[in-house]
Amino acid sequence: QSALTQPASVSGSPGQSITISCTGTNSDVGRYDYVSWYQQHPGKVPKLIIHDVTNRPSGVSNRFSGSKSANTASLTISGLQAEDEADYYCCSHTTTSSVIFGGGTKVTVL
Amino acid sequence: QVQLVQSGAEVTKPGASVKVSCKASGYTFTSYTIHWVRQAPGQSLEWMGWINAATGNTKYSQRLQGRVALTRDTSATTVYMELSSLTSEDTGIYYCARQAAGGPRFDPWGQGTLVTVSS
Repeated sequence: QSALTQPASVSGSPGQSITISCTGTNSDVGRYDYVSWYQQHPGKVPKLIIHDVTNRPSGVSNRFSGSKSANTASLTISGLQAEDEADYYCCSHTTTSSVIFGGGTKVTVL
Repeated sequence: QVQLVQSGAEVTKPGASVKVSCKASGYTFTSYTIHWVRQAPGQSLEWMGWINAATGNTKYSQRLQGRVALTRDTSATTVYMELSSLTSEDTGIYYCARQAAGGPRFDPWGQGTLVTVSS
């Protein structure tokens, strides 16, 4: 099973909004509302920032939001800040009770 | 607090096996599923498999099926990941992560264990 498809990189200026897409199939992203997003700074452990498509864990900034349409999930970061520069990964449950990650997106704050 | 603490870095040879542990604390061990995720240098996250801590039931990625085995010791609140027939492509950081109810909601993660496969 191939990885979910994410853009390799996305950039934006401080204060702007950016959106990262995550495209799967009707066997994963399109089938369940079980998409999560992780932020990973260099050399650090991944951090959960969105689960079940739209839910933010306690303590995660409300500048992060998630959505889904058909087989594509999206992560939006509003009011972009320097600290948001990191790698972002989407993740989905699949019909075989497995899990699949996206290839990752590097976010650069200009 | 909820915590997953993994064993230390490993250096091993091609063809050998490696076993990494993940000790859980701060919650009821048998109420959650533990997943393993790995990351090769400069690469993305790759899901490896999960183990239900209560039943011991497992599910492995197709790519690693036959080479990976997850086990648990409920008395020690510890999960183990063993990977066999190692090659240089298995070099990377290996993470355990707890899944809450529902989908792949991984929180927290262990600190990661660096496995280096080199002759």
